[in-house]
Amino acid sequence: AQSVSQHNHHVILSEAASLELGCNYSYGGTVNLFWYVQYPGQHLQLLLKYFSGDPLVKGIKGFEAEFIKSKFSFNLRKPSVQWSDTAEYFCAVIFKAAGNKLTFGGGTRVLVKP
Amino acid sequence: EAGVAQSPRYKIIEKRQSVAFWCNPISGHATLYWYQQILGQGPKLLIQFQNNGVVDDSQLPKDRFSAERLKGVDSTLKIQPAKLEDSAVYLCASSLGQGAQYEQYFGPGTRLTVT
Repeated sequence: AQSVSQHNHHVILSEAASLELGCNYSYGGTVNLFWYVQYPGQHLQLLLKYFSGDPLVKGIKGFEAEFIKSKFSFNLRKPSVQWSDTAEYFCAVIFKAAGNKLTFGGGTRVLVKP
Repeated sequence: EAGVAQSPRYKIIEKRQSVAFWCNPISGHATLYWYQQILGQGPKLLIQFQNNGVVDDSQLPKDRFSAERLKGVDSTLKIQPAKLEDSAVYLCASSLGQGAQYEQYFGPGTRLTVT
């Protein structure tokens, strides 16, 4: 079965530090890739997505992600985090061969210390 | 525009009891999803509706879970009887269509505790 893995369950860093969250998915042919974020007390919301084209995708709030097809990876990055980036981040994949359903990774809780 | 509404927000029941959750999607959204999110895991799709028809219910435990979207708008998810392992947050999401290009908008979820 197709799966999505996020390597870090918890990340703690200080403001202005750089952030990189790993996401790998199992082989499954054509994929659409997403990062979702859930801020404390808020709904899950879309951060960015990749369907095709430039493998470096820019999203909201200064986040970007890079699709590396050969590594089945879609890592999320932000050069300089703020306290307001404290949230849980979920990588999600649509494996086109399995229809249009989202398969989520287990999530990474990020705590940014002021 | 109003977001996806869910109720109740919290529910505590004993095992073997029944429970129902309600979802009102964003107006005009044809596609509705129910997800189960167990603590420490990502959301898992239980069922997807397109209008009032089921598109995918392959991960729905049909012996105890049921869902309906009778008029193609609101939806209910029922568990009968509940087990301890059903403790989770149940998320409802909606989108304009069922293609990957349509963003899914999530509701606040219902946190279920089964004792």
